[in-house]
Amino acid sequence: DTGVSQDPRHKITKRGQNVTFRCDPISEHNRLYWYRQTLGQGPEFLTYFQNEAQLEKSRLLSDRFSAERPKGSFSTLEIQRTEQGDSAMYLCASRPTGANYGYTFGSGTRLTVV
Amino acid sequence: KQEVTQIPAALSVPEGENLVLNCSFTDSAIYNLQWFRQDPGKGLTSLLLIQSSQREQTSGRLNASLDKSSGRSTLYIAASQPGDSATYLCAVPDPGGATNKLIFGTGTLLAVQP
Repeated sequence: DTGVSQDPRHKITKRGQNVTFRCDPISEHNRLYWYRQTLGQGPEFLTYFQNEAQLEKSRLLSDRFSAERPKGSFSTLEIQRTEQGDSAMYLCASRPTGANYGYTFGSGTRLTVV
Repeated sequence: KQEVTQIPAALSVPEGENLVLNCSFTDSAIYNLQWFRQDPGKGLTSLLLIQSSQREQTSGRLNASLDKSSGRSTLYIAASQPGDSATYLCAVPDPGGATNKLIFGTGTLLAVQP
């Protein structure tokens, strides 16, 4: 088990382009979360998957954002028509079912929109 | 709505000092509390997970306490080292929903001077 993997580590894109990030959770974890973190702030919740079902989306997740988790394994987060305000660290986390389990986070994807 | 506050926002100490980081939360109906470490530009590394039924949790030079009724947790770092320099974040699962999404504080930026 290599933990939670995120790809790419860094992404620089021009405003208006589409970007897609990938997260591979720990294999036995059925719960997967995406968070966004801007400089000097704590991570903020974006969306949650239980297996392949997307069960909650934050108000932060505008209609330019879409996330999927086909077959309940890896997940992708796509941002369409990127804006400079989308520049942030995008973090993925996974955990097993059960209230007492902690979260394991990936190394994040740093997005810079120029 | 759960809110998490961390004090101080930044802390600078000489090597070898013992130090305490503080975390407070507004809704005491939590399952657990998790402390994380974040190095600049990196993801989150879990340090300690303390369950609501526990008062303390220890790992090496780290000790986390939890006083659920007063909505407080502390992270004690003994004999600090320059390698401890990082941002420390505390987080609790949102008690208001079924997703257990984490609510984070804004972190304490720790600098340990050699």
